[in-house]
Amino acid sequence: EVELVESGGGLVQPGRSLRLSCAASGLTFDDYAMQWVRQAPGKGLEWVSGISWNSGSIGYADSVKGRFIISRDNAKNSLYLQMNSLRPEDTALYYCAKDFQPYWGSYGMDVWGQGTTVTVSS
Amino acid sequence: SSELTQDPAVSVALGQTVRITCQGDRLRSYYVSWYQQKPGQAPVLVIYGKNNRPSGIPDRFSGSSSGNTASLTITGAQAEDEADYYCNSRDSSGNHVVFGGGTKLTVL
Repeated sequence: EVELVESGGGLVQPGRSLRLSCAASGLTFDDYAMQWVRQAPGKGLEWVSGISWNSGSIGYADSVKGRFIISRDNAKNSLYLQMNSLRPEDTALYYCAKDFQPYWGSYGMDVWGQGTTVTVSS
Repeated sequence: SSELTQDPAVSVALGQTVRITCQGDRLRSYYVSWYQQKPGQAPVLVIYGKNNRPSGIPDRFSGSSSGNTASLTITGAQAEDEADYYCNSRDSSGNHVVFGGGTKLTVL
């Protein structure tokens, strides 16, 4: 069974940094693109970032571009999101999700983790 | 604001058919996927690619598209289908992924 487990969330002050991790199991990790999606309290889903199987193609939402960095370590079956210059509007539940294909944004995301909560507040 | 437009709320009588729509400028060019999300749970993929259904998703769920509108149809809605539904595709630039604002489905 494919499983994704996020970690690294927490309470952080505005302007500070946080690094999220997503550990994958039950799949050949480097066969698939991965994505981060977030959901602010009581709001809808918002795409954050996607990374192809070999890190050769990366995309970011305009709301996080220049502040967040997505990366992956295929040897460790892990996905990361480095979040810098955090703002209160970044407060959300952050999900990692597996894409159907090696390149993100084509077919959909078929496996999701349970999410990790990030709260940005002073 | 989302570049994919969904009706905020839709209701359907138990056992009847309901269509949830998603409009976007580039939907002629890209596939649309659909997700079901129940309170306190992670989203679940219900339709992907060219209107395919993942294993384990009941066949009462189907997808279609016409022009710049994609649709998720539930034929014979059940009480357990009450949830938020989100569409997902590329934005007008083609360089980003975007979700619709979501449709809250109530089964009466």
